[in-house]
Amino acid sequence: KAGVTQTPRYLIKTRGQQVTLSCSPISGHRSVSWYQQTPGQGLQFLFEYFSETQRNKGNFPGRFSGRQFSNSRSEMNVSTLELGDSALYLCASSLGQGESEQYFGPGTRLTVT
Amino acid sequence: GENVEQHPSTLSVQEGDSAVIKCTYSDSASNYFPWYKQELGKRPQLIIDIRSNVGEKKDQRIAVTLNKTAKHFSLHITETQPEDSAVYFCAASKPGGYQKVTFGTGTKLQVIP
Repeated sequence: KAGVTQTPRYLIKTRGQQVTLSCSPISGHRSVSWYQQTPGQGLQFLFEYFSETQRNKGNFPGRFSGRQFSNSRSEMNVSTLELGDSALYLCASSLGQGESEQYFGPGTRLTVT
Repeated sequence: GENVEQHPSTLSVQEGDSAVIKCTYSDSASNYFPWYKQELGKRPQLIIDIRSNVGEKKDQRIAVTLNKTAKHFSLHITETQPEDSAVYFCAASKPGGYQKVTFGTGTKLQVIP
């Protein structure tokens, strides 16, 4: 099976702009979770989608949003970018149960200037 | 919510020695504990996991132990090799029809040849 893919791999944006990141899960996986990874904060959970519904949300401001399509592909949007949003954004797919193994994509490196 | 603490944050060992990374969790309902290895510039990859009905699990040079009463679990790497150098993350997840994985802050392991 093909692994989890994310596009784009790198992005440079300016403060105040918005950005959309995409994640394609492993075939058959219906759950997609998003994480923000920064050197000082480790892996912070953003949200999780399952069958087009957001099931869980982490402690991030409303500028961070997402959605999932019927083919399980997911997008994440960040509006009004701030310098502190610079990070590696990882998505992970799984079958969706609490004990399901998660498989990570390569990530999108976002730099906000 | 769940809180996972991980220690140490950095660990240096001589090649051939053992390495131990410890994690504690706060939510007694958590029952799935995966460990991820993230090499520099790469995605996190699942290396071993343990479920709450098991006290110990081994896979070649890697083992994980779980103490549910004390709410802590540990990763043990024996006969370390330079390719074991990476950041290791522990995580905890609860059962059920949703997925929200809480990660520790990571341990940077350096194996000195």
